[in-house]
Amino acid sequence: EAGVAQSPRYKIIEKRQSVAFWCNPISGHATLYWYQQILGQGPKLLIQFQNNGVVDDSQLPKDRFSAERLKGVDSTLKIQPAKLEDSAVYLCASSLDPGGRKLFFGSGTQLSVL
Amino acid sequence: KQEVTQIPAALSVPEGENLVLNCSFTDSAIYNLQWFRQDPGKGLTSLLLIQSSQREQTSGRLNASLDKSSGRSTLYIAASQPGDSATYLCAGSFSSGSARQLTFGSGTQLTVLP
Repeated sequence: EAGVAQSPRYKIIEKRQSVAFWCNPISGHATLYWYQQILGQGPKLLIQFQNNGVVDDSQLPKDRFSAERLKGVDSTLKIQPAKLEDSAVYLCASSLDPGGRKLFFGSGTQLSVL
Repeated sequence: KQEVTQIPAALSVPEGENLVLNCSFTDSAIYNLQWFRQDPGKGLTSLLLIQSSQREQTSGRLNASLDKSSGRSTLYIAASQPGDSATYLCAGSFSSGSARQLTFGSGTQLTVLP
């Protein structure tokens, strides 16, 4: 069974530039999550999708971050414009349902904002 | 606001030793608790999931316990091996949350010395 796929693996940009991350969840997983993990901290939920609808985006900085999940499968997370404090690993995860069951994580995208 | 705390932030033990990792949480209305392993540059791998109705879960050399009344969970690793070296994170899913999002601790970085 294929795992959660994410790309790119690494990204280096300058502040005020824009960047986009892509995630392909495990086939059949209805719930998709984007997490931000700053060095030395645990992951923080940015947004949670159930199929193609947003369930929770309370911690998403909506002035600069946006995310979509077209057709309830792949998802993209965008930052525009980026700030220095956005430097982090962006993790995508999926699960069969939103009931807090076992999550499967991708390898993440490491973003450095200079 | 739910908080999950892991102490210590780092731990070194000699190979073969049994060890316990600690996790505490502030909200007793916990739906479940998961333990994850994270290797450098990788995503998170779910190790054990304990439902609120359970007291413990076991997988191989790993045993996780959950005590809702005291707000604590432990991950016991028996006969540690150098391959166990990684960061271990716990995450609680709380019933009071609107979407049962996971709240992560900051992790304990474990080093098993050969």
